[in-house]
Amino acid sequence: RKEVEQDPGPFNVPEGATVAFNCTYSNSASQSFFWYRQDCRKEPKLLMSVYSSGNEDGRFTAQLNRASQYISLLIRDSKLSDSATYLCAVNRGENKFYFGSGTKLNVKP
Amino acid sequence: DTGVSQDPRHKITKRGQNVTFRCDPISEHNRLYWYRQTLGQGPEFLTYFQNEAQLEKSRLLSDRFSAERPKGSFSTLEIQRTEQGDSAMYLCASSLAGLYEQYFGPGTRLTVT
Repeated sequence: RKEVEQDPGPFNVPEGATVAFNCTYSNSASQSFFWYRQDCRKEPKLLMSVYSSGNEDGRFTAQLNRASQYISLLIRDSKLSDSATYLCAVNRGENKFYFGSGTKLNVKP
Repeated sequence: DTGVSQDPRHKITKRGQNVTFRCDPISEHNRLYWYRQTLGQGPEFLTYFQNEAQLEKSRLLSDRFSAERPKGSFSTLEIQRTEQGDSAMYLCASSLAGLYEQYFGPGTRLTVT
């Protein structure tokens, strides 16, 4: 079983829509969680860390559900510029990170 | 530019040749990571340094791969006797000790022909 799993998508949504992605992790000892954004043929860019209490940054909200072992990313009022692949990353506190394969988002006019 | 830098950005090599990539982390970051990413996949962890010490190596890192960070600043990743399966994007990331937020460089895209 993979350490981290994501729905590859693509999620095709109109501008202004709200879209949510989940990412499941297999190891209950996982400690730190992150969402990255990756544009085509570019490096991943840190979008936000995911805290136990959840966190919000503008139109983006991340949540952690330890009981069900998943993290989520909610994007409100989608913009064309949000089109990208969203990667989740999980760390077990051993300085080794596990990334999902990413969820592709297409925001259409 | 004070971000992570990598050199070269692209490398085409013939099978069997050796290649070396360089990563310069963000200056105050003492943790440095190497990853490999292939099309449609997320980055796969290869190795990790804290200062000059290599503290973690993935089983993915065969004996053809070696990484160094001699003075705790820049790092090099060498692949000996390259194979076509080594074709990938090689990403470097750095972070501050005590924090897990990693910042990636632009990557080196390797093509083995």
